[in-house]
Amino acid sequence: GAGVSQSPSNKVTEKGKDVELRCDPISGHTALYWYRQSLGQGLEFLIYFQGNSAPDKSGLPSDRFSAERTGGSVSTLTIQRTQQEDSAVYLCASSLGLAGGEQFFGPGTRLTVL
Amino acid sequence: RKEVEQDPGPFNVPEGATVAFNCTYSNSASQSFFWYRQDCRKEPKLLMSVYSSGNEDGRFTAQLNRASQYISLLIRDSKLSDSATYLCVATYNTDKLIFGTGTRLQVFP
Repeated sequence: GAGVSQSPSNKVTEKGKDVELRCDPISGHTALYWYRQSLGQGLEFLIYFQGNSAPDKSGLPSDRFSAERTGGSVSTLTIQRTQQEDSAVYLCASSLGLAGGEQFFGPGTRLTVL
Repeated sequence: RKEVEQDPGPFNVPEGATVAFNCTYSNSASQSFFWYRQDCRKEPKLLMSVYSSGNEDGRFTAQLNRASQYISLLIRDSKLSDSATYLCVATYNTDKLIFGTGTRLQVFP
């Protein structure tokens, strides 16, 4: 069956531009998560959706970052006025939403801000 | 102090060796624990959950010590294909995964 998909796979942008990253979770998964992984760093939690609502946005690093989810499915992560320190791999994961359940990760979007 | 701490390695071991990774977590409210595996430039994948009683999956054994806030992963009879980064993970509340920075394992022939 189809796994989590993300697009684009790679994005190069200039400092100050806005970018939008997309995640398509596994069909039927109610929970969706965004993480980012910087070079040499661990994965960092950004935001979590249960259905279309985001009960935990605690990981968003600044107000330049926002995310939404519509129809309980696709999610977009938007970064406004990108900075060089935003360069990272942005990973999306989905799960059935059960406590302690397995999260399935997409292949990620590699963002490079020049 | 990081919420989940691991020795970054690398651990370089020959095929057939037994290798153990340790991990500590700082939040005593952490509820669930996992080991994920991440291959180079790939996404993380669940290796195994970690239960209080300890659990085994083939050559892999995971242990949890809540009193010491300590998790371990033991790999027996290492294979070349075990070469990867092993990520220790804790969760609490919203199921957001709190990752350690990972321990890199390189198995050589």
